Amino acid sequence: GQQLNQSPQSMFIQEGEDVSMNCTSSSIFNTWLWYKQDPGEGPVLLIALYKAGELTSNGRLTAQFGITRKDSFLNISASIPSDVGIYFCAGQKAGAGSYQLTFGKGTKLSVIP
Amino acid sequence: NAGVTQTPKFRVLKTGQSMTLLCAQDMNHEYMYWYRQDPGMGLRLIHYSVGEGTTAKGEVPDGYNVSRLKKQNFLLGLESAAPSQTSVYFCASSLGQEQFFGPGTRLTVL
Repeated sequence: GQQLNQSPQSMFIQEGEDVSMNCTSSSIFNTWLWYKQDPGEGPVLLIALYKAGELTSNGRLTAQFGITRKDSFLNISASIPSDVGIYFCAGQKAGAGSYQLTFGKGTKLSVIP
Repeated sequence: NAGVTQTPKFRVLKTGQSMTLLCAQDMNHEYMYWYRQDPGMGLRLIHYSVGEGTTAKGEVPDGYNVSRLKKQNFLLGLESAAPSQTSVYFCASSLGQEQFFGPGTRLTVL
C-alpha cells in the first residue's frame, strides 16, 4: 500500500498568502517529485529532486529533498487563483526498480480571491 | 508533440462487459505505466512496462491485463468489468524517474 504521508489533506488560503505542504515516509527515497493536478486533467510535473538536501525553485514554487531522505516539502509563495488544484508528492524508494513511483494522497488547495 | 494521449475519455460499462483503454506516447519513452485514481486514494500503479514486449504487475493488478506490442502504445484491458473498477485511469510514460501523464479516462461500471 501507499507509504507516503502527505499533509495537509486540504487547505483554504487567501490570495497572496504563502503555502507550505509536505510529505513524509518511514522509507528512504532516492527521488522526490511534486505534481499538480487540475480538475479533469492528468498530473503535471512541477519539480523533481534527486539529492538529499537539494533545494529547487520553479518560479513561485520551491521544493526541498529532506536530509534524512524520508521527507520533502513544497512551498508556494504569493498564491494566485490559478494555483487551485491537487498537489501530489511522489517518490522512488531506495531499491525500487524500473522507476516505479509511490504517490501521496494529495493536498487539495483552494485560493480565495 | 502530443505527449501522452488516452482514448476514450469517458466510458460507461455494464458489469461483465470487457473493454480496452489505449495509451499512446510520441516521446520515444521506454517506460509506460497504468494508474487508477480513486477519491482519497491518490494514484495507484496497476501495471507497467519497461520496454516493448514486456509488462509487469504493480500495486493493484487484479482484474486487469496489459500489452505493449509497440513501443509507443500501452493497452489496458478489463476482461469482465466490475463496479469496483469504476475509477479514473491514467497512463504515464518516462525515460527515467520523471513520469509524464495523459489526460485520463473516466470509467463507470454499472
